[in-house]
Amino acid sequence: GVTQSPTHLIKTRGQQVTLRCSSQSGHNTVSWYQQALGQGPQFIFQYYREEENGRGNFPPRFSGLQFPNDSSELNVNALELDDSALYLCASSFERGANNEQFFGPGTRLTVL
Amino acid sequence: KNQVEQSPQSLIILEGKNCTLQCNYTVSPFSNLRWYKQDTGRGPVSLTIMTFSENTKSNGRYTATLDADTKQSSLHITASQLSDSASYICVVSALTGGYNKLIFGAGTRLAVHP
Repeated sequence: GVTQSPTHLIKTRGQQVTLRCSSQSGHNTVSWYQQALGQGPQFIFQYYREEENGRGNFPPRFSGLQFPNDSSELNVNALELDDSALYLCASSFERGANNEQFFGPGTRLTVL
Repeated sequence: KNQVEQSPQSLIILEGKNCTLQCNYTVSPFSNLRWYKQDTGRGPVSLTIMTFSENTKSNGRYTATLDADTKQSSLHITASQLSDSASYICVVSALTGGYNKLIFGAGTRLAVHP
């Protein structure tokens, strides 16, 4: 399945953070989502074969990387209080609209 | 603006009872509609996925319906169990610029009491 690390993380405003995701084996597409408390997930961006393939309404301080070994990263610079949320990654086999996305358990980020 | 709205926001039912959750959407271009179950602090897990031409799809005690004309969907849960307590999220997929963008509703928080 899809795994994420760390499970929980506490940072202070202005710091930088890197969240990691390990996709399901054989999946070449990974998407990242931000889920604020009590809200549905919001799309951050998608990577396909190590290239950014689409982006939601998030500023450039949110960036990502996808590696050939089924792993990927979400980096957030200059953390703000509003960045506190559950960050989810989801992997899928290809980008097809009907392809199932499998979600990881998420990383809970708290910014103080 | 692409939006997915769900109702009710929260729901409490007794074990063994049935319930129906609603989803209205304004998403274009529509690709498919999915229902996910999300336990607290965990990632969403897919229950059903329906394309434009499908009206109903079942997964065990879960039955989803889709009316593409009125842009409405429902999720019916039969003979509820305590383990059904979770958030149920309606997700509409839009094929935008060559990638599959998922637009999530805020979810319905279901509590099943003994």
